[in-house]
Amino acid sequence: DGGITQSPKYLFRKEGQNVTLSCEQNLNHDAMYWYRQDPGQGLRLIYYSQIVNDFQKGDIAEGYSVSREKKESFPLTVTSAQKNPTAFYLCASSIEGPNEKLFFGSGTQLSVL
Amino acid sequence: AQTVTQSQPEMSVQEAETVTLSCTYDTSENNYYLFWYKQPPSRQMILVIRQEAYKQQNATENRFSVNFQKAAKSFSLKISDSQLGDTAMYFCAFMKYNNNDMRFGAGTRLTVKP
Repeated sequence: DGGITQSPKYLFRKEGQNVTLSCEQNLNHDAMYWYRQDPGQGLRLIYYSQIVNDFQKGDIAEGYSVSREKKESFPLTVTSAQKNPTAFYLCASSIEGPNEKLFFGSGTQLSVL
Repeated sequence: AQTVTQSQPEMSVQEAETVTLSCTYDTSENNYYLFWYKQPPSRQMILVIRQEAYKQQNATENRFSVNFQKAAKSFSLKISDSQLGDTAMYFCAFMKYNNNDMRFGAGTRLTVKP
């Protein structure tokens, strides 16, 4: 089955710790995205990547970092600089850009211990 | 900056009836895209319907249709013959043409009652 796999489903972070959220897709999509969802709010774009080895910041990139070394993978690192990391994180991909259709993963809930 | 407003935090509808979810947006752009996404309790986002601003004809997908009023900057979603599986959060989203930053509204929680 083609799709987007996010792991883990739940993640806990200690103070001062960096954590990495995994996102893998086997849809052969060029573009990948990371969104953050807070309760009662819509999604906000953290980072996106249109091709391998290239990515751009979204609205709320501070405290986050990404890499795109392979087409299939777009991991998100939540650094200790992100002071309010508790949220639901969604990864998405599309063939070229989100103009057509975004395919979403099932998300990762990150909480602070 | 573009903003998307969904003025109905929660709505409910009886099974088999019709419900309309509202969405307004603010932009100075002429070319853009509008979307409705559904987020069921599983929390996975699913595209419901998509509208290109340059098309005057309203998009439809089976029981889902939109009322796109470009001058009024309004993009409502109508769900006909509501089913229990339609229970979900619904998000309206806006994106400028040739841009990767999709703007989402705060969502409307829809409950379909048996």
